[in-house]
Amino acid sequence: DVKVTQSSRYLVKRTGEKVFLECVQDMDHENMFWYRQDPGLGLRLIYFSYDVKMKEKGDIPEGYSVSREKKERFSLILESASTNQTSMYLCASSTDHYEQYFGPGTRLTVT
Amino acid sequence: RKEVEQDPGPFNVPEGATVAFNCTYSNSASQSFFWYRQDCRKEPKLLMSVYSSGNEDGRFTAQLNRASQYISLLIRDSKLSDSATYLCAGTALIFGKGTTLSVSS
Repeated sequence: DVKVTQSSRYLVKRTGEKVFLECVQDMDHENMFWYRQDPGLGLRLIYFSYDVKMKEKGDIPEGYSVSREKKERFSLILESASTNQTSMYLCASSTDHYEQYFGPGTRLTVT
Repeated sequence: RKEVEQDPGPFNVPEGATVAFNCTYSNSASQSFFWYRQDCRKEPKLLMSVYSSGNEDGRFTAQLNRASQYISLLIRDSKLSDSATYLCAGTALIFGKGTTLSVSS
């Protein structure tokens, strides 16, 4: 079974803090993704990566950056957390055919 | 970006019913489509992949109509455990907002 793990299930941070969310997959997938999910807005793609050290902006990259130094690990960075970044963050990895497997999510609250 | 549209529901059906959801898409470049199931406060989980005209897995059937640009998910003999939100997505990495299904006894 594919396993995608995320570093925290719940996180509370203050406005202006730098936040790191980490994601690790164990299936040797090339593709990895970061989404946020908000009520009424659905899943929205923040960034994705097709290979190590490679990244592509998704639909809502503003205020975020990513890092992919190793194939199995994809990190999402909030440079200066703001209250409108309070959300559920979901990491996924996928096969070449884009069948995505999600981690359990990190519920981030920025106060 | 191109959109994926789903009827949000909720669809409220009794056990044993047959229910169908549609998902329309506007990005004709997507080669494959997927249905995911998401339980409350859980992550989405891949339910079915649709690479050609359709796919069937037990009580679940997914169909793709490229001419009309929609995919459908049919659930036969609904179970209480089918209650969830169903998301569709294409290879363009856009997800629909989901259709909520509630199956009652």
